[in-house]
Amino acid sequence: GAGVSQSPSNKVTEKGKDVELRCDPISGHTALYWYRQSLGQGLEFLIYFQGNSAPDKSGLPSDRFSAERTGGSVSTLTIQRTQQEDSAVYLCASSPQQVRDTQYFGPGTRLTVL
Amino acid sequence: EDQVTQSPEALRLQEGESSSLNCSYTVSGLRGLFWYRQDPGKGPEFLFTLYSAGEEKEKERLKATLTKKESFLHITAPKPEDSATYLCAVQADRGSTLGRLYFGRGTQLTVWP
Repeated sequence: GAGVSQSPSNKVTEKGKDVELRCDPISGHTALYWYRQSLGQGLEFLIYFQGNSAPDKSGLPSDRFSAERTGGSVSTLTIQRTQQEDSAVYLCASSPQQVRDTQYFGPGTRLTVL
Repeated sequence: EDQVTQSPEALRLQEGESSSLNCSYTVSGLRGLFWYRQDPGKGPEFLFTLYSAGEEKEKERLKATLTKKESFLHITAPKPEDSATYLCAVQADRGSTLGRLYFGRGTQLTVWP
């Protein structure tokens, strides 16, 4: 079956612009996670959605970052007023449920802020 | 604070030369330990999940083991196609986000012919 998809695969933007990154999880998966992978760093948790519950935003680095998930499926991560330190690969993962389930990752979106 | 440390950071092996990668962790109650493989420009690809000390899992040339403090990924007779970055992650059974994964920085494995 189809895996997790993300778009765009690459995004180059200018400092101060807003960007939107999209994630399509595996069909039927209720849990969705966003992570960030910066050069030389491990994957860093950003935000978590589980079904229709309120998202856990505890990993978002600043209030310039926000995310939503519509209809329990597609998710969009928005970064406002981008800064150079936001440059990273943004990865989305989904899992059937929350506890103990394997998270399956998409290919990521490489964001470059000039 | 929950932490995951992987060693070595980089490993070069000749084809057929077996070795092990280490993942040590401190977590407030381990729910699961995950191994992923990541190729350049791609997302992490799931390999194994281990849940309790003493557990072992195998897949082709890879074997993962788990103790109360660390996990090993053993690579037997590696081939050049095994070259990748191997990521270790843990999931805690306590905390504000039960499902989130805490990742190590990875071991970059290069296998040359």
